[in-house]
Amino acid sequence: EAQVTQNPRYLITVTGKKLTVTCSQNMNHEYMSWYRQDPGLGLRQIYYSMNVEVTDKGDVPEGYKVSRKEKRNFPLILESPSPNQTSLYFCASSLQGSGANVLTFGAGSRLTVL
Amino acid sequence: AQSVTQPDIHITVSEGASLELRCNYSYGATPYLFWYVQSPGQGLQLLLKYFSGDTLVQGIKGFEAEFKRSQSSFNLRKPSVHWSDAAEYFCAVNPLGGYNKLIFGAGTRLAVHP
Repeated sequence: EAQVTQNPRYLITVTGKKLTVTCSQNMNHEYMSWYRQDPGLGLRQIYYSMNVEVTDKGDVPEGYKVSRKEKRNFPLILESPSPNQTSLYFCASSLQGSGANVLTFGAGSRLTVL
Repeated sequence: AQSVTQPDIHITVSEGASLELRCNYSYGATPYLFWYVQSPGQGLQLLLKYFSGDTLVQGIKGFEAEFKRSQSSFNLRKPSVHWSDAAEYFCAVNPLGGYNKLIFGAGTRLAVHP
């Protein structure tokens, strides 16, 4: 089944403890992206990647890092999480990076930072 | 400023009633337009999209949307709502700025009364 898989789905952590949310897609998509969803704000883009080793900042990149060493994987790294990063995170991918490509979203990862 | 507005935060309808969810955008040119649905605990599923052509777009689950250039709107409709339609609905646009970035509205939460 074609899908975007995120792990973990739920995580509670403490301020300052580094964590990684993994994202993997099995559709051979070039483009991948991370969003965070907050009540009343919809989804906002954190980072995106047009292809392997090509990443760039979205609208809310502060406090996050990403890497794209392989085409299928696009992990989101929180080096020193803070409570304002408590959110619902979505990974998404599309065949290519142009706007005419439909994004496929993962099921989401709910992160709580205490 | 460029934005996507969903004026209704919450909507409640009775099962079998018709539904219209509003979406307005403010961009210079007509962007690509999307509606996504998020069921509780689920990721985002694409309902329909508009790129060009016929301004009335049919989607999955019996939904349709109409693009009105003069009003910068892309409202979602369904003639008869089912209890399983209870979810959060997001309007999103791709501003045609180059890469596949979606700008989301804040969402409309739909409740369905039996």
